[in-house]
Amino acid sequence: EAGVAQSPRYKIIEKRQSVAFWCNPISGHATLYWYQQILGQGPKLLIQFQNNGVVDDSQLPKDRFSAERLKGVDSTLKIQPAKLEDSAVYLCASTRNPGQGYNEQFFGPGTRLTVL
Amino acid sequence: GENVEQHPSTLSVQEGDSAVIKCTYSDSASNYFPWYKQELGKRPQLIIDIRSNVGEKKDQRIAVTLNKTAKHFSLHITETQPEDSAVYFCAPGGTDKLIFGTGTRLQVFP
Repeated sequence: EAGVAQSPRYKIIEKRQSVAFWCNPISGHATLYWYQQILGQGPKLLIQFQNNGVVDDSQLPKDRFSAERLKGVDSTLKIQPAKLEDSAVYLCASTRNPGQGYNEQFFGPGTRLTVL
Repeated sequence: GENVEQHPSTLSVQEGDSAVIKCTYSDSASNYFPWYKQELGKRPQLIIDIRSNVGEKKDQRIAVTLNKTAKHFSLHITETQPEDSAVYFCAPGGTDKLIFGTGTRLQVFP
């Protein structure tokens, strides 16, 4: 099966600009996650979707970050306006259906964002 | 919120030696305990996991042990090889949410 797809792979922007990342999960995976991974740290959950509904967005900086998964398949994460501290790798992950048991999270290759 | 710590933060071993990484967590409701491996510039990948009703699990050269009472679990790698060099993350959690640890950088020298 095809893996989790993300684009772009790299992005360089200046502070106060906006940026958007796209993720297409593995086919049939109901749950989609966006993580932020700052250099030298573990992935930090930003938002979790179950189909097209938000399950957890408690750590999403909602004044500048937004995310959507309108049709319950692919998802977009946006930052507007970007700050220097947003420089990180943004990872998307998906799982089949966690309600039916423990499920491995499959990660995409990530988007490396540099804010200058 | 959940507090997850890993020790050591860096670990250097000679090829063929064993490596042990310990993860401590604070949320007693955690019932799923995976370990992820992340090579430089690559995505995290699951290498082994354990459920709360099991004390130990082995898969070839890697094993995970769980002490739920003390709220810690450990990754054991035997007969280390240079390709084991990576950052390892524990990620205790439940059926649908994981909290990633601080990471342990393992270097295996030939």
